[in-house]
Amino acid sequence: QVQLVESGGGVVQPGGSLRLSCAASGFIFSSHGMNWVRQAPGKGLEWVAFIRYDGSNKYYADSVKGRFTISRDNSKNTLYLQMNSLRAEDTAVYYCARPVAGTLDAFDIWGQGTMVTVSS
Amino acid sequence: AIRMTQSPSSFSASTGDRVTITCRASQGISSSLAWYQQKPGKAPKLLIYAASTLQSGVPSRFSGSGSGTDFTLTISCLQSEDFATYYCQQYSGYSLTFGGGTKVEIK
Repeated sequence: QVQLVESGGGVVQPGGSLRLSCAASGFIFSSHGMNWVRQAPGKGLEWVAFIRYDGSNKYYADSVKGRFTISRDNSKNTLYLQMNSLRAEDTAVYYCARPVAGTLDAFDIWGQGTMVTVSS
Repeated sequence: AIRMTQSPSSFSASTGDRVTITCRASQGISSSLAWYQQKPGKAPKLLIYAASTLQSGVPSRFSGSGSGTDFTLTISCLQSEDFATYYCQQYSGYSLTFGGGTKVEIK
């Protein structure tokens, strides 16, 4: 079935780096744009980044621009989020999410999420 | 970025009630609006997209309406499994934003 599985979360010190992965299965990954969305503990949802199906265009929320990089490897059906210069306010569950129509859109498929904690 | 304002932020209701949640965009977004349901510890679930299109598998008691800046999510007859937090999301342009959420609690 259609599935997204995130990994790579953990505890990291402020200023540190972490790379998240999202493994896709059950659909043609290379035909879909993909997103990262996060949710701080007890808070609402925040869109983080989008990448086009072929990696040619990337868009970021202002809160992560210049610090986070979204990328993908279509040969491995995997989406990535490289997070640098991490701050306490980046602490959140990070979800990967597939858009309905493959572009900037509503998200019809979500992973289970991976927790990132930024703390000293 | 386009700001999405949901109201109310929370309320109590009873099984069988008809409930309405509103979402207002800070500028016009045509029909580029989605609604999600989220339960504790779970990923959000898509209910409605394009303001009024019901996602496959979602019960017909859920409906969405609106365009431009004002949108509503209606649950026609609240069921026990509908007690959750609901979020709207706009996808007009290159920066996507969510509303702050509406928590529906049992009265």
